[in-house]
Amino acid sequence: GAGVSQSPRYKVAKRGQDVALRCDPISGHVSLFWYQQALGQGPEFLTYFQNEAQLDKSGLPSDRFFAERPEGSVSTLKIQRTQQEDSAVYLCASSLGRLGTSRLEQFFGPGTRLTVL
Amino acid sequence: AQRVTQPEKLLSVFKGAPVELKCNYSYSGSPELFWYVQYSRQRLQLLLRHISRESIKGFTADLNKGETSFHLKKPFAQEEDSAMYYCALSVSNFGNEKLTFGTGTRLTIIP
Repeated sequence: GAGVSQSPRYKVAKRGQDVALRCDPISGHVSLFWYQQALGQGPEFLTYFQNEAQLDKSGLPSDRFFAERPEGSVSTLKIQRTQQEDSAVYLCASSLGRLGTSRLEQFFGPGTRLTVL
Repeated sequence: AQRVTQPEKLLSVFKGAPVELKCNYSYSGSPELFWYVQYSRQRLQLLLRHISRESIKGFTADLNKGETSFHLKKPFAQEEDSAMYYCALSVSNFGNEKLTFGTGTRLTIIP
């Protein structure tokens, strides 16, 4: 079946613009995660959803970052007034989120590469 | 807070030689440890996790709680092993299994 998809794959924004990044998780996956990966670094956690509830947003770097998952499936990460330091690859991952042999496996999307000029 | 350290950014190994990618972690409790791999132009994918104790593509990793290490090993490297490898840690908290990643090691297999 289809894996996690993200759009757009590439986004170029001028400093100060708002951007919205979309994630379509695997159907039926309860848990959804957003990560930020700066150049030369490993992914860093941003936020976590269980169905439509945002249960952890401790990794969001500032109040310019906002994420939602209103119907418990598709999620959107919004960045307001983008800054150059926001340039990174934004990864979305989903998992079953329920007890089972694959409980802990996260399936990653291809990422959105954001470049802020 | 938990932390994952991968001391080698780059590692080159000849085909057929043994491979060891190092990973150390810091966490006072009992975390779950993973290795994720990213092949060229592909997405990040799970390679193996310590709870399953399995060998994937010839790779194994043993969790050493005394040394807080989770090194990835393969006895005979193959060209298709060239990729970016990330060690990651998860502390399950009511379903929030967010991952803490290391900075990654780029493995290049020399033919």
